[in-house]
Amino acid sequence: AQSVAQPEDQVNVAEGNPLTVKCTYSVSGNPYLFWYVQYPNRGLQFLLKYITGDNLVKGSYGFEAEFNKSQTSFHLKKPSALVSDSALYFCAVGNNNAGNMLTFGGGTRLMVKP
Amino acid sequence: DTAVSQTPKYLVTQMGNDKSIKCEQNLGHDTMYWYKQDSKKFLKIMFSYNNKELIINETVPNRFSPKSPDKAHLNLHINSLELGDSAVYFCASSQRASLSGNTIYFGEGSWLTVV
Repeated sequence: AQSVAQPEDQVNVAEGNPLTVKCTYSVSGNPYLFWYVQYPNRGLQFLLKYITGDNLVKGSYGFEAEFNKSQTSFHLKKPSALVSDSALYFCAVGNNNAGNMLTFGGGTRLMVKP
Repeated sequence: DTAVSQTPKYLVTQMGNDKSIKCEQNLGHDTMYWYKQDSKKFLKIMFSYNNKELIINETVPNRFSPKSPDKAHLNLHINSLELGDSAVYFCASSQRASLSGNTIYFGEGSWLTVV
């Protein structure tokens, strides 16, 4: 079975500071890792994904994530947070052993204060 | 144009009623999904269809019946609604079933409240 843990329910950061949203995963075989963002009363928007190749993945809106196989982590980062980044962030994992099923973490609410 | 669109966005209904949520994607994708997000924001897959054929059914009660008339549409019908069915239901699609090199795109969600 595959699983995702997002250990922080909420992350608070001041505008302009770097942000990190943590994600660890458990899966058999090679993982496919995704980050999605959900704004209030909206659907999930794709941010970035890791399938294979370079461990550092760059995505939308200046976000990036680093795949760390030894730590089974895929933390989301941004060098300088914006107030408009405030939203709910979901990490998800899948692999071909589980077909096309994505398992989502519980979400982390990011609050960026001016 | 919205890539994955679902209707209605908001639905309030009484226990015991039957309701449907419709979903359409204009991305030309082969695979469509229904996900449920509960009040604690947990997201869980319910169903997945590939080219109109059911490929994932995650132990969802029989009261939930997906129907895919063609690969651009995946509707969700719910019979005998219960209070616990209150949630946000997300439709999604991807180009093909395999996750390799593939991205799942979500609709805006349908907020179902059962009273």
